[in-house]
Amino acid sequence: AQKVTQAQTEISVVEKEDVTLDCVYETRDTTYYLFWYKQPPSGELVFLIRRNSFDEQNEISGRYSWNFQKSTSSFNFTITASQVVDSAVYFCALVGNRDDKIIFGKGTRLHILP
Amino acid sequence: DAGVIQSPRHEVTEMGQEVTLRCKPISGHNSLFWYRQTMMRGLELLIYFNNNVPIDDSGMPEDRFSAKMPNASFSTLKIQPSEPRDSAVYFCASSWDRSTEAFFGQGTRLTVV
Repeated sequence: AQKVTQAQTEISVVEKEDVTLDCVYETRDTTYYLFWYKQPPSGELVFLIRRNSFDEQNEISGRYSWNFQKSTSSFNFTITASQVVDSAVYFCALVGNRDDKIIFGKGTRLHILP
Repeated sequence: DAGVIQSPRHEVTEMGQEVTLRCKPISGHNSLFWYRQTMMRGLELLIYFNNNVPIDDSGMPEDRFSAKMPNASFSTLKIQPSEPRDSAVYFCASSWDRSTEAFFGQGTRLTVV
């Protein structure tokens, strides 16, 4: 069975602090795809990043960075110098190689306090 | 492309009434997904289609829910009869294939009173 666990239900940090959102996944597929989505207070779901299982390179995009480690089945997301606009619910998701089903974690609600 | 388009954005209906939610996926996308989001259960996959064919409907809560995709540019999710516990935000999403990201519509906020 495929599963995504986001153990942090809710996190609050003060603006300009760094924050890391954890994501642990389970799959028996050797090829799979990992995603992060952001859901701001307005409610839409916005794609942030995609990672293939055969590409363990970490990625940085501005203040956002992602750490993919197959050895620990983790795909963590770090926001550096957080801003109030980063306040949102963040979802980690997994797609295996046997079907197109997107499995989402429960999400982490991030509050950035001014 | 305008993205995934859902209608209506908001729906308030009385218990027992039929509700139909509509979705227009992004042109060229092969997969279409229906999700339900509630505070208690998060994002639940209800059903997904590939090339207009329903592949997995194991997430559909009960027989009151049905979904169709008569062509590549349109899908519906129907609840008949509706119940208060169906109140949630329903999202439609589409993607090219499993290796690419899914694009989500704005969602339909359903309230059953």
